[in-house]
Amino acid sequence: EVQLVESGGGLVQPGGSLRLSCAASGFIFSDHYMDWVRQAPGKGLEWVGRIRKKANSYTTEYAAFVKGRFTISRDDSENSLYLQMNSLKTEDTAVYYCVRGPSHPPDAFDIWGQGTMVTVSS
Amino acid sequence: DIQMTQSPSTLSASVGDRVTITCRASQSISSWLAWYQQKPGRAPKLLIYKASSLQSGVPSRFSGSGSGTEFTLTISSLQPDDFAAYYCQQYTTYSLTFGGGTKVEFK
Repeated sequence: EVQLVESGGGLVQPGGSLRLSCAASGFIFSDHYMDWVRQAPGKGLEWVGRIRKKANSYTTEYAAFVKGRFTISRDDSENSLYLQMNSLKTEDTAVYYCVRGPSHPPDAFDIWGQGTMVTVSS
Repeated sequence: DIQMTQSPSTLSASVGDRVTITCRASQSISSWLAWYQQKPGRAPKLLIYKASSLQSGVPSRFSGSGSGTEFTLTISSLQPDDFAAYYCQQYTTYSLTFGGGTKVEFK
């Protein structure tokens, strides 16, 4: 079964850091771009960023609101995706979804994790 | 960034109704548009990709059309399982963007 399972969410104070992880299974992880998408409580979906595959030099792209605070990385040997979040703000409070990106872009997001909740509050 | 504008934001309908949701892009995205369905507390689910291609396993009452800047998602006969939120997404550029969403609720 193709699956993405996020972990690492929780409560953090403004200005703090958090690292989210995503464990992939059931598909060839290294063949795909991987993305993070978030959803603030009661709001819509917001793309956070992307990491490409080895063939594309693991390059990354981020939404404008990230402004150097977040870093996406991956470990293909562990089938894992990461999101390091620093200098967190209250407006970063959201469910963060790990999403399978394309193997041959452009393409839509066909596999989503269940999400992990991040709450930024004092 | 390309802006995606969905309308309406809320839609009241009954079982059996034909429902249409519109998504407009701020510039041409060719056919690089997807539609997702999301139910409360659940992750989004891909319905349509490349503007009009039905994702495997999605009922045929869902259809998508359009190209360039104007797109529509149509549900031919609304079923009880279809009451949910729907989002469009463009994936043509380095910065991917979603529409604001449309909530389909019971009339």
